[in-house]
Amino acid sequence: DAGVTQSPTHLIKTRGQHVTLRCSPISGHKSVSWYQQVLGQGPQFIFQYYEKEERGRGNFPDRFSARQFPNYSSELNVNALLLGDSALYLCASSSGRNGGWANVLTFGAGSRLTVL
Amino acid sequence: GQQVMQIPQYQHVQEGEDFTTYCNSSTTLSNIQWYKQRPGGHPVFLIQLVKSGEVKKQKRLTFQFGEAKKNSSLHITATQTTDVGTYFCAGKDSNAGGTSYGKLTFGQGTILTVHP
Repeated sequence: DAGVTQSPTHLIKTRGQHVTLRCSPISGHKSVSWYQQVLGQGPQFIFQYYEKEERGRGNFPDRFSARQFPNYSSELNVNALLLGDSALYLCASSSGRNGGWANVLTFGAGSRLTVL
Repeated sequence: GQQVMQIPQYQHVQEGEDFTTYCNSSTTLSNIQWYKQRPGGHPVFLIQLVKSGEVKKQKRLTFQFGEAKKNSSLHITATQTTDVGTYFCAGKDSNAGGTSYGKLTFGQGTILTVHP
């Protein structure tokens, strides 16, 4: 059974461009979360989606948006890229939206974004 | 907002020595999770603690959750070179609601280096 898959693995963009990152959760998992990890820091929460609805949003500007599709895969979009957006973007899936083991995260390998 | 702090930031040990990292939250947590991230890798789930004062062991690793559910620790006995990596704690605010519903707040991590 495949784990969490993310694409692309690496990408380089220039300031002002737009980027779309994609994630497929573990089969049967209905929740997808996005985290940004800047070098040397812990992952920072961006969004959580459950059953195609946004269930949580971190302290990120409106340039960041996401959506979840009927098959539970997800996209993270970042507009008007800034140098500071350079980071590892991690997608994590979990089984549910509340309590117990439902919010234990299984992370993908990440998409490493470099903004020049 | 909720903050999660980890100390120390770095720990260098000789193989066979013990290692402990501490995690403190500014708010009461409903649960705390620990993740390990190998160099160049992605965070991998280790364990979840839910109950006040809970202690769990995984072979040489011992995890504790404080009585007030605001702090936690990870202790590794007799470190091995395979223990190298960054250890993160991540907590879910017990009062999380609204846009923070699905949010896990990660500490900045403790980087463990083990010298053979």
